[in-house]
Amino acid sequence: DVKVTQSSRYLVKRTGEKVFLECVQDMDHENMFWYRQDPGLGLRLIYFSYDVKMKEKGDIPEGYSVSREKKERFSLILESASTNQTSMYLCASREQGGIQETQYFGPGTRLLVL
Amino acid sequence: AQSVAQPEDQVNVAEGNPLTVKCTYSVSGNPYLFWYVQYPNRGLQFLLKYITGDNLVKGSYGFEAEFNKSQTSFHLKKPSALVSDSALYFCAVRDFYGGSQGNLIFGKGTKLSVKP
Repeated sequence: DVKVTQSSRYLVKRTGEKVFLECVQDMDHENMFWYRQDPGLGLRLIYFSYDVKMKEKGDIPEGYSVSREKKERFSLILESASTNQTSMYLCASREQGGIQETQYFGPGTRLLVL
Repeated sequence: AQSVAQPEDQVNVAEGNPLTVKCTYSVSGNPYLFWYVQYPNRGLQFLLKYITGDNLVKGSYGFEAEFNKSQTSFHLKKPSALVSDSALYFCAVRDFYGGSQGNLIFGKGTKLSVKP
């Protein structure tokens, strides 16, 4: 089974802090994604990466950056956390191409910015 | 623009009754459609998908979904609901022609509540 893990389940940070959210997958998937989930808004794509060293902006990249130095690890960075970044953050991975198409999600990190 | 809509914020069903969670989509070409479920304080779990072939797709936990091209719908169904099915359900479509570069577009989610 595919396993996607996220470094923290719950995180509390102060406004202005730099925040790192880590995601690791163990299935050698090329594609990885970061979403945020907010009530009534569903999932919104922040950034994605189709391969190591590659990154692309999603629908709401403002205030975020990412790093993909190794294939299995995709990090989301909040350069200066703000209260409007309080949310549930979900990481996902997917095999490149083919008929599979399925994204596999981690358990999520619930971030509270005070 | 590609989009997916879940018209109901919440669906309430009695245990043992059939359930339907609705999803409609709008895409330029042939859609790839997915259903995911999220239990409280958990990530999303894949339930089923339609890529091509039979319009009736069977998935995990006894769920199925019917692809209806003329109605642009992909409703999730289960013949007999369980209390343990209570969760948040997301429909998603893969966007090949929009600005998301072939990534998934998610609906806003439908909360399913199954009462004993």
